[in-house]
Amino acid sequence: QSALTQPPSASGSPGQSVTISCTGTSSDVGGYKYVSWYQQHPGKAPKLMIYEVSKRPSGVPDRFSGSKSGNTASLTVSGLQAEDEADYYCSSYAGSNKYVFGTGTKVTVL
Amino acid sequence: QVQLVESGGGVVQPGRSLRLSCAASGFTFSSYPMHWVRQAPGKGLEWVALISYDGNSKHYTDSVKGRFTLSRDNSNNTLYLQMNSLRTDDTAVYYCARVWLMAATDWGQGTLVTVSS
Repeated sequence: QSALTQPPSASGSPGQSVTISCTGTSSDVGGYKYVSWYQQHPGKAPKLMIYEVSKRPSGVPDRFSGSKSGNTASLTVSGLQAEDEADYYCSSYAGSNKYVFGTGTKVTVL
Repeated sequence: QVQLVESGGGVVQPGRSLRLSCAASGFTFSSYPMHWVRQAPGKGLEWVALISYDGNSKHYTDSVKGRFTLSRDNSNNTLYLQMNSLRTDDTAVYYCARVWLMAATDWGQGTLVTVSS
């Protein structure tokens, strides 16, 4: 299966919002409610930020929110903070017990 | 707290084999499916394989099917990835991750596999 498409980069000033898109197909993003988002700082393991399109695990700030429309999912980070600077990856269930990740987006806090 | 510790990575020649381990603690290992996910140097995340909570169901990405084999020992809380016929494009950091609600909720720190002659 092909990787989900994300913009390579996104940026915003502290306090602003940034939205990252994640485009797939009806066989993955559009077909299931199982889209998740991961944050990865350099040299670190990924961290789950959003699951089931829009749910936040315990401990994840409510500045992080997720949504989906058709074959495109989105992650919005509101009130940007310096520590939000990281790589972000979406992932989707793709049927038949297979999964696919996005290409990744580097978020820069200006 | 949940802890996942991968081991077994290293430098190996093309065509050779390597077995990765993932030691789990802090949760009921036998109740959760587990992923392996890899990340080539400077690249994005790639899903590699999924094993069911009881080890009876295993699924692989196409590029490793027939070469990699997943297994788990629920009595010792350990996940394994046997990698045979390794290729240079298998070079990556390999992460194990606990699966819950179809998401990878907890990740290990990763182990680096370098395939090079």
